[in-house]
Amino acid sequence: DVKVTQSSRYLVKRTGEKVFLECVQDMDHENMFWYRQDPGLGLRLIYFSYDVKMKEKGDIPEGYSVSREKKERFSLILESASTNQTSMYLCASSTRGSGGLPYEQYFGPGTRLTVT
Amino acid sequence: AQSVTQLDSQVPVFEEAPVELRCNYSSSVSVYLFWYVQYPNQGLQLLLKYLSGSTLVESINGFEAEFNKSQTSFHLRKPSVHISDTAEYFCAVMGGGNKLTFGTGTQLKVEL
Repeated sequence: DVKVTQSSRYLVKRTGEKVFLECVQDMDHENMFWYRQDPGLGLRLIYFSYDVKMKEKGDIPEGYSVSREKKERFSLILESASTNQTSMYLCASSTRGSGGLPYEQYFGPGTRLTVT
Repeated sequence: AQSVTQLDSQVPVFEEAPVELRCNYSSSVSVYLFWYVQYPNQGLQLLLKYLSGSTLVESINGFEAEFNKSQTSFHLRKPSVHISDTAEYFCAVMGGGNKLTFGTGTQLKVEL
């Protein structure tokens, strides 16, 4: 079974702190994604990565950065946390595959971040 | 660009009753559609997907969805719900680069 793990289920940080959210997958997937989930807004893509050291902006990258130094690990960084970044953060991974059809994304359990 | 509309934010239903969760999409590329489910305090799990072929797709727990190209819809149905189906359901469309665009979700609440 594919397993995507996230370093914390709950996290409380203060405004201005630098925050690291870690995600690890064990299926050798090429693609990894970071989303934030807010009530009434669904999931919105922050950043994604197709390969080690590669990253691309999603729909809401402002205030975030990412790092992918190893294939299995994808980190989301809040350089200076703000209260409007209080949210649920979900990591996902998928294989690139060789055929023409896409592959499903597998999600981690999420990290609920509160910035006070 | 693609987008997904889930008009119903909450759907209450009694156990053993049928349910339909609505999803409409727009996409300028080939359409790949997904339904994900999120049980309380958990991540998202894939429920079913339409990639090609038969327009009616089914899940292992009795849900089905039908891809309707003319109506740009991918509604989720179950003929008889169980209390354990209480969860939030997200419709999503996949565009280029394996990126998913999600709807805002529908909270299904099954009552006794």
